[in-house]
Parts: sequence; structure tokens; C-alpha cells
Amino acid sequence: DVKVTQSSRYLVKRTGEKVFLECVQDMDHENMFWYRQDPGLGLRLIYFSYDVKMKEKGDIPEGYSVSREKKERFSLILESASTNQTSMYLCASSPQSGGETQYFGPGTRLLVL
Amino acid sequence: QKEVEQNSGPLSVPEGAIASLNCTYSDRGSQSFFWYRQYSGKSPELIMSIYSNGDKEDGRFTAQLNKASQYVSLLIRDSQPSDSATYLCAVAFLVDKIIFGKGTRLHILP
Repeated sequence: DVKVTQSSRYLVKRTGEKVFLECVQDMDHENMFWYRQDPGLGLRLIYFSYDVKMKEKGDIPEGYSVSREKKERFSLILESASTNQTSMYLCASSPQSGGETQYFGPGTRLLVL
Repeated sequence: QKEVEQNSGPLSVPEGAIASLNCTYSDRGSQSFFWYRQYSGKSPELIMSIYSNGDKEDGRFTAQLNKASQYVSLLIRDSQPSDSATYLCAVAFLVDKIIFGKGTRLHILP
């Protein structure tokens, strides 16, 4: 079974703090993704990566950065957290590019005060 | 702008009946189609994938794809209260990207 884990289920941070969300997958997948999910807006892609040290902007990259130093780990960084970044953050991985199934981690619910 | 459209619901279906969930997509070049189920507060989990026109059955679930009409649906037979969730339609377009619909909330009435 594919397993995608995220470092925290719940996080509470203050405005202006730097926030790190970690995602690890154990199936040697090439592709990894970060989404946020908000009521009424659905899943929105923040960043994705097809390989180590490679990153591509998704639909809403502003205010975020990512790091992929190892194949199994994809980190999402909020450089200076703001209240409008309060959301559910979901990491996903897939085995290759070209429409393969994405497998999701359990999600991190982030509250920025 | 590639789009995946779903009715947000809620769709209320009596227990034991057939639930029918629908999804349309904008890009004719789409190759792969997925249905995910998401319980409240949880992450999406894949329940069906379909790649060619026609029906694909897996237990109580049937996915239907009509590429000419740009339409994909999910049927759930003998609906159970545990089927109550939000169902996300996802479509993979030619250029290595999956677009998710906003989901349909399904409520199975006991």
C-alpha cells in the first residue's frame, strides 16, 4: 500500500511566523504535490515536483515555497504566515507524470492567528 | 482554462437506492478520469479510475465515461449510510496535470 505521511495533523501559528509542512512517501514515487483545500473552492494546487530538486508552480504559489532535496520528501514553506493561509493542506504523490493516480496524505489543518 | 464541473449538492438518496454522481470536463484531450471519496475532515481516497469509454464496475461502484459528451459519472448501488461523503471527480489532461472538481456532497438517508 502507498503511504503518504504528513508531519502534523493540526498546527496553530502566529501571523508572520515561518511554517514548515513536511510530506514523506514510501513508494518511490517521482511526483509529489501540495494542495490546499478550502470550503467552496475545492482542491487548489500550490506546487508540484517531478524530481529531486525540481519544482513547478501550481495555480496559487504566492506566499509559498517548496523544497525537494530527497525523492521521498517534499516540504511546503510558508515564508511569513498570514491569516488567509488558514486552510487544510494536502500532500499527494503519484508514480509518474501523465495522469497517474494521486495518493493523498492525511492532511494538515493549519490555523494562522 | 481547463475545468471540471460537479454539482455541489447535497444529493440526498435513501438507503438501498442508487446514487448517481455526475461530472463534466472541458478539455477533449483528457486521458484519465478518477473518482475520489472524501469523508469530513479526512483526505481524499481513490475509489475508481477509468480510461476508456463505457462502464467500469467495482463492487457496488460503477464509473461511466463518455468522451464524446465529455461526461463521467459514478453510480453507487445499494447505497449505505457509510457512503455519505463528498465525491471528487478528477480529470488528467494531456499536459501532466490533474484537475479536481469541487465535489458533490452525498447524503444517504437511513
